Amino acid sequence: EAGVAQSPRYKIIEKRQSVAFWCNPISGHATLYWYQQILGQGPKLLIQFQNNGVVDDSQLPKDRFSAERLKGVDSTLKIQPAKLEDSAVYLCASSPYRYGYTFGSGTRLTVV
Amino acid sequence: AQTVTQSQPEMSVQEAETVTLSCTYDTSESNYYLFWYKQPPSRQMILVIRQEAYKQQNATENRFSVNFQKAAKSFSLKISDSQLGDTAMYFCAFMKRGGGADGLTFGKGTHLIIQP
Repeated sequence: EAGVAQSPRYKIIEKRQSVAFWCNPISGHATLYWYQQILGQGPKLLIQFQNNGVVDDSQLPKDRFSAERLKGVDSTLKIQPAKLEDSAVYLCASSPYRYGYTFGSGTRLTVV
Repeated sequence: AQTVTQSQPEMSVQEAETVTLSCTYDTSESNYYLFWYKQPPSRQMILVIRQEAYKQQNATENRFSVNFQKAAKSFSLKISDSQLGDTAMYFCAFMKRGGGADGLTFGKGTHLIIQP
């Protein structure tokens, strides 16, 4: 089966600009997750969707981050405006059931 | 809230040797899963092994096995007959079992280097 697709693979922006990341989960996977991985740290959950509803967004900085999952399939994560500390790898994962995660290869964001 | 601690930032062993990566965690949950993930330079997180907390038997997957000590909240990963392809970042992770949110809580990782 095809894996979790993410784009772009790399992105460099200036602070205060906006940026969007896209994720296409494995077909049929109801649950989708976005994680932020800052250099030298483990990934941190930003948001979890079940179909197109939000299950957990307690760690999402809602003043600048937003995410949506239209029609319960693809998802977009947006940052507006970006800060230097947002430089990280943004990982998307999907799951058809509990603990059956498949991760994408992530988007590396550099904010300068 | 859960915390996961990996106290070894980096480890280096010779090919074919056995290596053990340490992980401790803190939680008030009684039902949960523990995982070890491998992250090569490609950045994709790859599941190495999974342990269900209610199972006393330690999980094994080929050359990979865990030592799960529930009372001590310890979950170490043993890699036998290490290979060059095992070189990667390794993350220990916790997931609460039950309904609702099931995001993973990760440790900071251990960089494992297998020397030829």
